[in-house]
Amino acid sequence: EPEVTQTPSHQVTQMGQEVILRCVPISNHLYFYWYRQILGQKVEFLVSFYNNEISEKSEIFDDQFSVERPDGSNFTLKIRSTKLEDSAMYFCASSEVSWNQPQHFGDGTRLSIL
Amino acid sequence: AQSVTQLDSQVPVFEEAPVELRCNYSSSVSVYLFWYVQYPNQGLQLLLKYLSGSTLVKGINGFEAEFNKSQTSFHLRKPSVHISDTAEYFCAVFNAGKSTFGDGTTLTVKP
Repeated sequence: EPEVTQTPSHQVTQMGQEVILRCVPISNHLYFYWYRQILGQKVEFLVSFYNNEISEKSEIFDDQFSVERPDGSNFTLKIRSTKLEDSAMYFCASSEVSWNQPQHFGDGTRLSIL
Repeated sequence: AQSVTQLDSQVPVFEEAPVELRCNYSSSVSVYLFWYVQYPNQGLQLLLKYLSGSTLVKGINGFEAEFNKSQTSFHLRKPSVHISDTAEYFCAVFNAGKSTFGDGTTLTVKP
């Protein structure tokens, strides 16, 4: 069964540095998402992306965050100047052609800010 | 705005016992409802979904859930649990391009 893949599985970064989290969505999916899960807390929506632009974003997704689909397969989340509170699991998800189709999640990237 | 409340943060049960994980939602519009399972150090796996039609939906691993519009609930059930069902379970509502998750319920199955 096709999967959403995320790399790296664990990223350790110094506070203030830029980090890019990478995702390869399922190939025929058109909607892409990023979610965040701080340790021990709920999964929180960050952003959705369709047709090369942001569709929805939460209040968490401020100016330090950006998303990009640089080619036909990758979907990236960039955090410009990381803070300690950015430490979390970051999940990428994708879904098919309709908004009401279930989202398929990757296994996540654990981001640790030192 | 939409929200999800999972009424139990932790549910301990013995193996082969039935279990119900409760989920209530609120939304001003029609939503789509999902249950996801998260095993330790893994991502979110879709258990089942309700989009429309029959209010009783069956998912993987023997789980089922019933959509109750009047009570705005979407409780997850399994008639007989296994040790391998120990995991975190998340109820989610989806509308307008984003999912809103509940806080999660930790299901612990004891031998």
